[in-house]
Amino acid sequence: DQQVKQNSPSLSVQEGRISILNCDYTNSMFDYFLWYKKYPAEGPTFLISISSIKDKNEDGRFTVFLNKSAKHLSLHIVPSQPGDSAVYFCAASDGNNRLAFGKGNQVVVIP
Amino acid sequence: DVKVTQSSRYLVKRTGEKVFLECVQDMDHENMFWYRQDPGLGLRLIYFSYDVKMKEKGDIPEGYSVSREKKERFSLILESASTNQTSMYLCASYSGYTDTQYFGPGTRLTVL
Repeated sequence: DQQVKQNSPSLSVQEGRISILNCDYTNSMFDYFLWYKKYPAEGPTFLISISSIKDKNEDGRFTVFLNKSAKHLSLHIVPSQPGDSAVYFCAASDGNNRLAFGKGNQVVVIP
Repeated sequence: DVKVTQSSRYLVKRTGEKVFLECVQDMDHENMFWYRQDPGLGLRLIYFSYDVKMKEKGDIPEGYSVSREKKERFSLILESASTNQTSMYLCASYSGYTDTQYFGPGTRLTVL
């Protein structure tokens, strides 16, 4: 059973606008969440993370929001740039060094 | 900077061949992981290792084995490759300091 779910497999957005990616999880033991970005034929690169003691973490154009009661997190990219076109994976950890990954969201930023 | 390298970017093998995929990290991390990525299925954990000579099965270990003889090197072995093992294989190394997994560039394996 998938513990981390990313719906809406693909998203198209105009350059300069906001991209919002959503992620839901089922395991209440998850206490650390990460977003990875992946270009074709490359490995995923770490983008941003958030601990369960926070509800928001910001790094430049990227902000992650966590709603623990809803078991939901989201990644906001503002403003979106063509170089942001990639697959984004949501991942969650319960502290045992293993990550549970979602299936990914394809983002296409239109110039 | 954490550096995780994988022995090949692209590999083509025939059904029944034995395949070795190598992964090396230079940060003295204890935990290392092998995943495969397939369209629509995300990243699925095959095996992981939390120390030299230690290994644990992940979610899809069937048809694979691993070897960790040195801390920096974690090998994935396909004993007898099959066409359904055509995939992108990703190695990762875990940093307890940043609580983050760092990935190698991936090996695109095609089994004919």
